[in-house]
Amino acid sequence: DSGVTQTPKHLITATGQRVTLRCSPRSGDLSVYWYQQSLDQGLQFLIQYYNGEERAKGNILERFSAQQFPDLHSELNLSSLELGDSALYFCASSVAASYQETQYFGPGTRLLVL
Amino acid sequence: GQNIDQPTEMTATEGAIVQINCTYQTSGFNGLFWYQQHAGEAPTFLSYNVLDGLEEKGRFSSFLSRSKGYSYLLLKELQMKDSASYLCAVRERGSTLGRLYFGRGTQLTVWP
Repeated sequence: DSGVTQTPKHLITATGQRVTLRCSPRSGDLSVYWYQQSLDQGLQFLIQYYNGEERAKGNILERFSAQQFPDLHSELNLSSLELGDSALYFCASSVAASYQETQYFGPGTRLLVL
Repeated sequence: GQNIDQPTEMTATEGAIVQINCTYQTSGFNGLFWYQQHAGEAPTFLSYNVLDGLEEKGRFSSFLSRSKGYSYLLLKELQMKDSASYLCAVRERGSTLGRLYFGRGTQLTVWP
């Protein structure tokens, strides 16, 4: 158990819908990262927050957005869902955002868009 | 950008030793990580190398050569539970702090 929690564990929804994925980092960690993992793309970085502020953006679609709240939990919002958005979504956290920080991953949310 | 390459699949038998290679090309290297991921589960941290050489942690060791853009993960005394995907990830100097670039993973199957 990494100490990172994610909810829900599974999510089934229809195309065009909107969902929110939640992540609570390890106690004391200020930095949160979101990743998408699909069979054909591997683990892709989406976005990073550090202490409430967006720090980096990766391959995140405009239909997706995220935020980190004052209590440091983070939410990833996915809207206008398409079949291709079906994937595992992982959240990871680290103490800060320095070069040597190890990222610890949560159990993931498995999203299925029908 | 980055180009991280690792074999797609490997097989080995219980008790054996296996070496999983990873090559990378990056504009500015600042650390390489290895993660283990069982199917449908979260990646778990195995090792971190930033300087050349070998880092040993029990049955697992990781090696890095920055000049060659090359790393390997060595797994000794293989056990059935080592069957998993092994992900190589590179952190790039100059990129936003923290971002990792992952390879596609090497699926290791350990046979009895």
